Amino acid sequence: AQRVTQPEKLLSVFKGAPVELKCNYSYSGSPELFWYVQYSRQRLQLLLRHISRESIKGFTADLNKGETSFHLKKPFAQEEDSAMYYCALSVWSTDKLIFGTGTRLQVFP
Amino acid sequence: NAGVTQTPKFQVLKTGQSMTLQCAQDMNHNSMYWYRQDPGMGLRLIYYSASEGTTDKGEVPNGYNVSRLNKREFSLRLESAAPSQTSVYFCASTRSSYEQYFGPGTRLTVT
Repeated sequence: AQRVTQPEKLLSVFKGAPVELKCNYSYSGSPELFWYVQYSRQRLQLLLRHISRESIKGFTADLNKGETSFHLKKPFAQEEDSAMYYCALSVWSTDKLIFGTGTRLQVFP
Repeated sequence: NAGVTQTPKFQVLKTGQSMTLQCAQDMNHNSMYWYRQDPGMGLRLIYYSASEGTTDKGEVPNGYNVSRLNKREFSLRLESAAPSQTSVYFCASTRSSYEQYFGPGTRLTVT
């Protein structure tokens, strides 16, 4: 079964601390994975995708096929990183995404 | 270029009432989607449309119907609203499978 698991509903850190938002997936084919972010009072938007291997706003995510994980990391959290983060899996040969349940990141000053 | 627009932004219904949520995109995207967002459940796909004239069920289609009126517009209808349909509804569109563009959402309360 195709599934995305985000085990943490809430992650709270202080400004300057490292952040890791966990994402695990279950998929029989070759996965395409994404992180979407929803800031307060803003639309859900794409943060990064694993195929581009970019660093966006200091965030990176590496696909680990052995551990079926796609964790989102940032070495030094900022208050403006506070948001809801969703991991998503693209279903092959369709334009559909399967989303995880989301992790709310709170960064305290 | 407004992107994805949704109306209304807020709505309160009584059990058994019907309503239609409207969605439009001006990016010439082929695929459009309706999701619901619930605490602890994340985003769940209700229906999607891969192209004008086609629609398919998603994960949670029961109690909903959709219409892909043309390439721009994709509406979601609740025929007989139930309290379990209290949620935030998002419309999205995409040209390819790699990035979906989301609307601002509709917050629906069914009493």
